[in-house]
Amino acid sequence: DTGVSQNPRHKITKRGQNVTFRCDPISEHNRLYWYRQTLGQGPEFLTYFQNEAQLEKSRLLSDRFSAERPKGSFSTLEIQRTEQGDSAMYLCASSATQGSTGELFFGEGSRLTVL
Amino acid sequence: GNSVTQMEGPVTLSEEAFLTINCTYTATGYPSLFWYVQYPGEGLQLLLKATKADDKGSNKGFEATYRKETTSFHLEKGSVQVSDSAVYFCALSGRNTGNQFYFGTGTSLTVIP
Repeated sequence: DTGVSQNPRHKITKRGQNVTFRCDPISEHNRLYWYRQTLGQGPEFLTYFQNEAQLEKSRLLSDRFSAERPKGSFSTLEIQRTEQGDSAMYLCASSATQGSTGELFFGEGSRLTVL
Repeated sequence: GNSVTQMEGPVTLSEEAFLTINCTYTATGYPSLFWYVQYPGEGLQLLLKATKADDKGSNKGFEATYRKETTSFHLEKGSVQVSDSAVYFCALSGRNTGNQFYFGTGTSLTVIP
């Protein structure tokens, strides 16, 4: 068990550019979550997959954000036309289907800085 | 709606002091409650959890009891160590949250020798 892996760990980009983050969950986990965390705040839910199906997407999520999990394994989060307000830590987490008590396992995050 | 409110930080304590970090929640139904910890430079990891009212979660000397009557899940430790310095997040999740986790804003703890 290698844990949840995210890359890149840090991305610096100019405003208007597109960026993509990748998440490799724990292999037997069928649920995958993306969260965003800014300084001094807790993780904020972005979207959630069960296997390859995207079951929930935050209403706060701009149309510039898209996530995929094409084969039910790794996932990508793409941000198009980045803005300075997108600067944050993007967290991926996975869990097994255990009803409502399933523990989330987090990766170390991908930090985005938009200049 | 669903939300979690944590006490504001940062908190600074001397080694061996008693720790309490308050957490209250608002939720539909009966969620599970969690404390996650984030050590410097690391990802969030589960510290403890409780799945129903009056359950007590415990780990590494930390404890929290699920209090439905006060909608609280306060984190306590009798004697903190320097290695407990971290950010602590209270969270809830359940079927009525669509399996989403709702996190508090986090409480930063620094323990000084």
